[in-house]
Amino acid sequence: GEDVEQSLFLSVREGDSSVINCTYTDSSSTYLYWYKQEPGAGLQLLTYIFSNMDMKQDQRLTVLLNKKDKHLSLRIADTQTGDSAIYFCAEIRPNRDDKIIFGKGTRLHILP
Amino acid sequence: SQTIHQWPATLVQPVGSPLSLECTVEGTSNPNLYWYRQAAGRGLQLLFYSVGIGQISSEVPQNLSASRPQDRQFILSSKKLLLSDSGFYLCAWARGGQGINNSPLHFGNGTRLTVT
Repeated sequence: GEDVEQSLFLSVREGDSSVINCTYTDSSSTYLYWYKQEPGAGLQLLTYIFSNMDMKQDQRLTVLLNKKDKHLSLRIADTQTGDSAIYFCAEIRPNRDDKIIFGKGTRLHILP
Repeated sequence: SQTIHQWPATLVQPVGSPLSLECTVEGTSNPNLYWYRQAAGRGLQLLFYSVGIGQISSEVPQNLSASRPQDRQFILSSKKLLLSDSGFYLCAWARGGQGINNSPLHFGNGTRLTVT
């Protein structure tokens, strides 16, 4: 299909790991992004991964990329209350003027 | 460093009134500029993008329009607002240039528009 797919909600206990999954569509995408949106705010770039990488780690964040299945995931270790937000996956579509297409976002809820 | 400014932060307008939202970018030249809309409970919809002054590409036919009168200024307008125009409008910029643009998008803080 044409859409970048994400599950809409995820609940995780504080201190556990959160894993947010995304399925993208364009096998020629060069970069894949994760953005974070806190309530009432714009989107903040969290991290990104180049398509020739399988994994990227940045402090508590780990991005895994499975190009064969066009699957991207974001793992947040030791989830904190400040991680409560909506997380958007996005891909570049080189065959469509390099447009960046977003998923609908996953709302991460932290349980005490 | 680069910064992006969007205003106003919130706006309440009656149906049929005009709209003008402004976005400016500082600290970079010849950026690609974008307008997105985020409706409640939905993802981001790309409305317009611009790769240069006076160059506007429209993604979705609607009663909105965009203009880029200066290199780092992007304006979203409407002559007559509809109820369905309510939403959260986000301006974004990315590094411009030839070839594959691997520059991520950087967003403003958004404008919450309510059409009554």
